[in-house]
Amino acid sequence: DIQMTQSPSTLSASVGDRVTITCRASQSISSWLAWYQQKPGKAPKLLIYKASSLESGVPSRFSGSGSGTEFTLTISSLQPDDFATYYCQQYNSYSFTFGPGTKVDIK
Amino acid sequence: QITLKESGPTLVKPTQTLTLTCTFSGFSLSTSGVGVGWIRQPPGKALEWLALIYWDDDKRYSPSLKSRLTITKDTSKNQVVLTMTNMDPVDTATYYCAHASDGGYCTNGVCYSYWYFDLWGRGTLVTVSS
Repeated sequence: DIQMTQSPSTLSASVGDRVTITCRASQSISSWLAWYQQKPGKAPKLLIYKASSLESGVPSRFSGSGSGTEFTLTISSLQPDDFATYYCQQYNSYSFTFGPGTKVDIK
Repeated sequence: QITLKESGPTLVKPTQTLTLTCTFSGFSLSTSGVGVGWIRQPPGKALEWLALIYWDDDKRYSPSLKSRLTITKDTSKNQVVLTMTNMDPVDTATYYCAHASDGGYCTNGVCYSYWYFDLWGRGTLVTVSS
């Protein structure tokens, strides 16, 4: 099974900050990675798919990059609505794995 | 507009079988490149993928839970059903169903599939307790 790790596990930031979250896979997954945002008590929301493709309706301050085993999610200018937990998810050989999550909270 | 809604018991006893239904609208599960998956989240913990059923009735399961899971679809009712046997308190979680899309591509005669969950239901909390 492919394992996913995320760093940091918690990130304290201020509105307007540039934020970067890293996701690593235990083996190469090409570009088969998605990012989700989840707020307390709510279902996850897709932000990025195929490592760098922005889902329709998602603000352009969100961007994704990477391939192989290392990926990043960047929020160019953190907004009040962005305080949430972010998960990466890989797909490989008909199996899915989510990362442990990164909580972005207010500094 | 695509919507999904999970339904089922909120409380099950240890060793019982859980049956959850995902009722959806806005798409057909007989359309190529479409799937419906189940994902769960224990309180305060991360997401865990459970199962996915594809438009062609192919089914895939989490390796760690495969022996306990069954996923089926009823295309005429726009429903997907997940059963999980031998429930345990550690299975207490919010269970989500989600629409899955294939973002893959074909090149040089070879096709690559890549699936992700682009729309989710609100989830249903299932507690396992005697």
